[in-house]
Formats: sequence, C-alpha cells, structure tokens
Amino acid sequence: SQTIHQWPATLVQPVGSPLSLECTVEGTSNPNLYWYRQAAGRGLQLLFYSVGIGQISSEVPQNLSASRPQDRQFILSSKKLLLSDSGFYLCAWSVGGIYGYTFGSGTRLTVV
Amino acid sequence: DAKTTQPPSMDCAEGRAANLPCNHSTISGNEYVYWYRQIHSQGPQYIIHGLKNNETNEMASLIITEDRKSSTLILPHATLRDTAVYYCIVRVASGANSKLTFGKGITLSVRP
Repeated sequence: SQTIHQWPATLVQPVGSPLSLECTVEGTSNPNLYWYRQAAGRGLQLLFYSVGIGQISSEVPQNLSASRPQDRQFILSSKKLLLSDSGFYLCAWSVGGIYGYTFGSGTRLTVV
Repeated sequence: DAKTTQPPSMDCAEGRAANLPCNHSTISGNEYVYWYRQIHSQGPQYIIHGLKNNETNEMASLIITEDRKSSTLILPHATLRDTAVYYCIVRVASGANSKLTFGKGITLSVRP
C-alpha cells in the first residue's frame, strides 16, 4: 500500500535560518507531488507541485523553493526564514486523473 | 474566484445524519465535485467525489443535483470524531487546472 512520510512533525527555527522539509512517498511510481501551507486561522494554500523529477511549478511568489531530486522525494527549502513563513506545511501525492490527493501528517513550523 | 460556497459552520447531534451543503453554480461539465475533511492539526482526508451520479462509500454519501449546481455530503450517523472542517472542491480531472484548491470549508461540530 502507498504511504507518505513527512518530517519533522514540529520545528522551531529562528528568523534568518535555513529550512529543509522532506516528504517521501512509498508504494507508487511517478506520483504528482504537492506542498501546501496553512497559516494560523487560514485556509490551505498550494505552494508548489511537481509532475516528475526536476519538474517544479510554483503557485505563489514567496521565500520558499522546492526540489524533487528523486521520483518519490519532494523537498521544501528556504535560505533565510521569515516570521511570515510560520505555518502548517503539508505534502500530498496523487496519481493524477480523477483520483484524490493523499496528504501527509504535516510539519508545524514556528519561526521566532 | 471561489468556485464553491459553503456555510461557515453547522452542528448536529451525535448519531444523527449530518447534511453538509455546497453550492457550485458555475461548475463546468468536466468538473468533478470532491469532498475532503480536516480534523484539527491533521492533514486533509479524502472523503468522496462524483461527477453526475450520487455516490456512496464507507464514509459518506454524495448527492449531486440534476443540474449539478449544488451537492450535499451526508454523514449518515455522525460521531464526535466527525468534528472537522469539510471542504467542497470542484476540479477537472487533468490538465493545468486540475490542482486541488481549498476554500474556507464548513466547520462541522458534532455535539454529544
């Protein structure tokens, strides 16, 4: 069966520090991968999506970047965190088409 | 532009059916209706989706009106664990506009 892993579950980082969040999927090949962010009291915002290795599409301009070095690995990064980067970060995958998305358990990032 | 409109909140008694409405008056012929829910501090969970016909699975039933301009998610016997934010989303199955875009959803509170 397919599983999605995200880590860490919680993270507290100072302003100006770098960030690397990792997401991996098991049990499927060539998934579509997504990064979402949910700021406190706000809705889910799609940040990046990827349909294949090295293929990244950005949905909104921001202080973050994404990479997909392997088929089932999706990484969210920042060189210098801002206070506004705080939020709940969720990775998701899908096989495309009519099938739904499966979300990971999320990383709660607090920038202090 | 919001493709769906949902009331901000509703409640129901435990053990009773919860009927969650959604309006999607501008839905296109090739757009599906999806429902997800997000329990506090967790990632969204897929519930059900449909195109024209009513659908039922182990979690819920989806009733889509004949003109497809609205739908209702039915949780037949709500439990306290069903307390969550429920998102109604319309999307095409493939292409550049097939990404899952979340609105504000409806907060369902199940009372004992």
